[in-house]
Amino acid sequence: KAGVTQTPRYLIKTRGQQVTLSCSPISGHRSVSWYQQTPGQGLQFLFEYFSETQRNKGNFPGRFSGRQFSNSRSEMNVSTLELGDSALYLCASSLMASGREQFFGPGTRLTVL
Amino acid sequence: GESVGLHLPTLSVQEGDNSIINCAYSNSASDYFIWYKQESGKGPQFIIDIRSNMDKRQGQRVTVLLNKTVKHLSLQIAATQPGDSAVYFCAETKAGTALIFGKGTTLSVSS
Repeated sequence: KAGVTQTPRYLIKTRGQQVTLSCSPISGHRSVSWYQQTPGQGLQFLFEYFSETQRNKGNFPGRFSGRQFSNSRSEMNVSTLELGDSALYLCASSLMASGREQFFGPGTRLTVL
Repeated sequence: GESVGLHLPTLSVQEGDNSIINCAYSNSASDYFIWYKQESGKGPQFIIDIRSNMDKRQGQRVTVLLNKTVKHLSLQIAATQPGDSAVYFCAETKAGTALIFGKGTTLSVSS
């Protein structure tokens, strides 16, 4: 069974731009969660989608948004990029909503210049 | 807000030794505590979890211990191998809510 895939793997943007990251979950998984990983703050939860509905949301500004499609694929968008948004963005899928066993993709490394 | 943290950022062991990675948590209302392993260049991978009404759970070469009195969680890895080198995160969750991760311990195994 194919794992979680994320595209693109690497991205360089400049301040003020916006970016869209994509995640394809494991087949059959309906829950997709997004995390931001930085050396200073560790793994921080952004949001979770289950059956196209946002179930949980972390403590991030409204510049961070996401959505899920009917095929469970998910996208997250960051508008008006700031230097501090540079991070590894990880997507994880699970069978159940708020699942304890989440399957992570390799992440998208975003660098904001 | 409440969060899960780890005692030590790094741990170095010799191949064949037993490793113990510790974690202190603050939210006594959490239902489950989980350990994840993240190898270089990869996303975290689920290792094992333990329900809050248990104090010990064993997996393959790993054991998780939960001490609710002092809000302490540990992961024991038996006969540590070079392939165990990674960053280990503890996490907690309450039913219906998101995982909250601690900051991670880097385990280095030398042969």
